Amino acid sequence: QLLESGGGLVQPGGSLTLSCAASGFSFKTYAMNWVRQSPGKGLEWVSGISGNSDTTHYADSVKGRFAISRDNSKNTLYLHMNNLGAEDTAVYYCANPSDSSGYYYVLPFDNWGQGTLVTVS
Amino acid sequence: DIQMTQSPSTLSASVGDRVSITCRASQNIDTWLAWYQQKPGKAPNLLIYRASNLQTGVPSRFSGSGSGTEFTLTISSLQPDDFATYYCQQYDTYYTFGQGTKVEIK
Repeated sequence: QLLESGGGLVQPGGSLTLSCAASGFSFKTYAMNWVRQSPGKGLEWVSGISGNSDTTHYADSVKGRFAISRDNSKNTLYLHMNNLGAEDTAVYYCANPSDSSGYYYVLPFDNWGQGTLVTVS
Repeated sequence: DIQMTQSPSTLSASVGDRVSITCRASQNIDTWLAWYQQKPGKAPNLLIYRASNLQTGVPSRFSGSGSGTEFTLTISSLQPDDFATYYCQQYDTYYTFGQGTKVEIK
């Protein structure tokens, strides 16, 4: 199970941190990702992180503004978002593939949270 | 960046119909393609991976085919639960999704 939180209304140029609490599986052995969905741009992969945080990956659209991190002791994934613009308005999902090696492999997502809405206005 | 283009954008069909959705990649992605189903207010649900492999628990009326740049999702006999939006996703180079195909009741 994945449960996102932290979404809300933020002004342009503002910051926000999203959280994703994981349960029911060995969180530290799974790479994790953030995917967003907006009416205008559809589904867009945002960022990913390996199980032990040694590798992080970002879409060009958020590189330098967003930072992904995780706390395996708390079974929680984070997305720190800075300098937000209207184009960042979306529902943000955390998601992971079924591979449990901990390495960041580019694989389809078979586990998703329910999403949290971020509105920049 | 690899672009993914789905067609049609909307598909009107009846229960029992055979329906197909096409997804084209802007460059060769071998068979690194997945299909998802999404219902309103819910997260996407993985149906098919590696172009033609059915995810565990997905009904056998769903099938996928293709390689390289052209792919197809087929539902052999549309059921009431299948009215939803479908997305393709390439995972050859990070991830890109198609824009979606809404399957609606005719």
